[in-house]
Amino acid sequence: GAVVSQHPSWVICKSGTSVKIECRSLDFQATTMFWYRQFPKQSLMLMATSNEGSKATYEQGVEKDKFLINHASLTLSTLTVTSAHPEDSSFYICSARPADGYTFGSGTRLTVV
Amino acid sequence: KNEVEQSPQNLTAQEGEFITINCSYSVGISALHWLQQHPGGGIVSLFMLSSGKKKHGRLIATINIQEKHSSLHITASHPRDSAVYICAVTDKLIFGTGTRLQVFP
Repeated sequence: GAVVSQHPSWVICKSGTSVKIECRSLDFQATTMFWYRQFPKQSLMLMATSNEGSKATYEQGVEKDKFLINHASLTLSTLTVTSAHPEDSSFYICSARPADGYTFGSGTRLTVV
Repeated sequence: KNEVEQSPQNLTAQEGEFITINCSYSVGISALHWLQQHPGGGIVSLFMLSSGKKKHGRLIATINIQEKHSSLHITASHPRDSAVYICAVTDKLIFGTGTRLQVFP
């Protein structure tokens, strides 16, 4: 089946640094990828929709300058958390729609200290 | 009020029990999804429904478009079914808050 590979699975970084999270579609082309954030014991929230070759679409309340999304190829989308702060600590996960349904990455647990 | 509501929030069962998780939504949808999230965070897509019923192994998902309601059933539950089950609706993915299921031996 269709697989989305997400890397890294966890990362700890210092406050003020930037962290890049990658999602790759392994056996299909993904013109669109979705990025979500999940705080402990809360539901997944869509942050942005990443479109290959064009600008991402951000949901209301998500700072586009803080959460940089790049979708430069049909198989790779990246989310960079810039100038990370402890309140950015969360679980970040991506997904794509290969044909039928959604395929999710394994998620990245970000801890900012 | 959330656009996608799930019940119950938490569910505990003995191995072998029949389990039902409910999802109600208040928006127009093109499809409804049932997802399973394991303790480590990884998410698996279980079903995508736009009408009727689907079955995969011990899992059955139904949807009633008129009533804006879906159910996920697990027959002969097993401890490995312990996870958070999430209902989500599209076009724009809107997630329910999830149902935390624990199945004890």
